[in-house]
Formats: sequence, C-alpha cells, structure tokens
Amino acid sequence: EAEVAQSPRYKITEKSQAVAFWCDPISGHATLYWYRQILGQGPELLVQFQDESVVDDSQLPKDRFSAERLKGVDSTLKIQPAELGDSAMYLCASAGALAGTDTQYFGPGTRLTVL
Amino acid sequence: AQSVAQPEDQVNVAEGNPLTVKCTYSVSGNPYLFWYVQYPNRGLQFLLKYITGDNLVKGSYGFEAEFNKSQTSFHLKKPSALVSDSALYFCAVRAFQTGANNLFFGTGTRLTVIP
Repeated sequence: EAEVAQSPRYKITEKSQAVAFWCDPISGHATLYWYRQILGQGPELLVQFQDESVVDDSQLPKDRFSAERLKGVDSTLKIQPAELGDSAMYLCASAGALAGTDTQYFGPGTRLTVL
Repeated sequence: AQSVAQPEDQVNVAEGNPLTVKCTYSVSGNPYLFWYVQYPNRGLQFLLKYITGDNLVKGSYGFEAEFNKSQTSFHLKKPSALVSDSALYFCAVRAFQTGANNLFFGTGTRLTVIP
C-alpha cells in the first residue's frame, strides 16, 4: 500500500538554528499539504501545493518558514531560525487529482523539539 | 468560517461495549466530513468520510459515522470496542463551496477502551 514518506521522524535542535523536513507524497498525488500539530491540538494547515504551485500559505509564518515543491513531487519545509514555540509535530499529507473531494493521506510526521 | 467541535476530551468505554465519539461542525455550504485516528507519535490514519449520499458511512476497522444535517453532527460509532481502538480521534471538515480544500480539525478526543 502506497504511503506518504517523511524524514526525519524526530529532530532536536537549538533555538536560532535552521531545520528542514522532507516529504514524499503518494505517487501521482498532485496536492500536498504541510500541517503543524501542537501537542494536545488538532493539525493546522501551514501550506498547500497543487503540483509545484502554492495554493494556500496564508497560515505560514513567512518570516521564518519556507516551503517548496520544485518538481511537483517531493517537498521541503524549512524553519530558519527555529524558536521554542516551533516545537510540534509537522505532518505532510497528499491527495489525488480530485483534491476537493478526495481523501488526504498523512505521513508519520516529524516531531520537532526546539531547546 | 469552518469549524469543528469535539465536546469530549476523553471517552472511556469498556471492551465489548458500543462507543460513540461526538463531533459537531459549522460550515457554509455542503460539508465534507472526515474522521482520522492517531496513535502515539504517528501520523493520522483515515477512517471514513462523508461527501454525499447515505447518511450512515461505514469505514475502516468496523467504525461508522452518521451524518445529521439538522443537528450539524457527524458522530463516530462502533458497536463493540476493542482495546486496540484506544487512540486519539480527530473529526475534520472541508467546505467544498468556499473553494478551500484544506481540512479544519477538531481538538481531538482520546478514547480509552478498558479491558
């Protein structure tokens, strides 16, 4: 069964350092999402891609966060510099061509701890 | 604006008993409703969805959910709970007509099935 891949699974960093997370969606899925899940809360969307284009990044803190999906396949989410409040689970999800109705499938997530 | 409420942070049920995890939603237009389950330090796993049609939706692992438009609810149910069902459950909504297709999640309900 196809799955969304994410790496690393865990990341510990010090504040002011740069971190990067990688996501490889299910093959053929045009839509890719990055969510942030703070402990005890539901995931919240950071950015949505349709192929290589950003569809929605209204909740992405652009002063420190950036995301790219250069070839419309895998994606990287970067934080520079990391802050204590960035400690969270970062989830990647992908959906098929009919993104309005299709199911989003999630990867295992990257647990970020900022010290 | 879209929103989801999960009124219970914690639900405890004895193994073999029926379980219900509650969800109510607020959305403009027709809702697309989803249930996901999350195990510790893992991503979200899709359980079931309601798009249109029959109000009773059957999903994975014996779960089902009933869409009630008049009560704006989408409660998750299972006739006989298993200890392995113990996890964190998230209800989510996506509003088709607004054009946004990211998911809005509730805060989650922790289900504990007692042996």
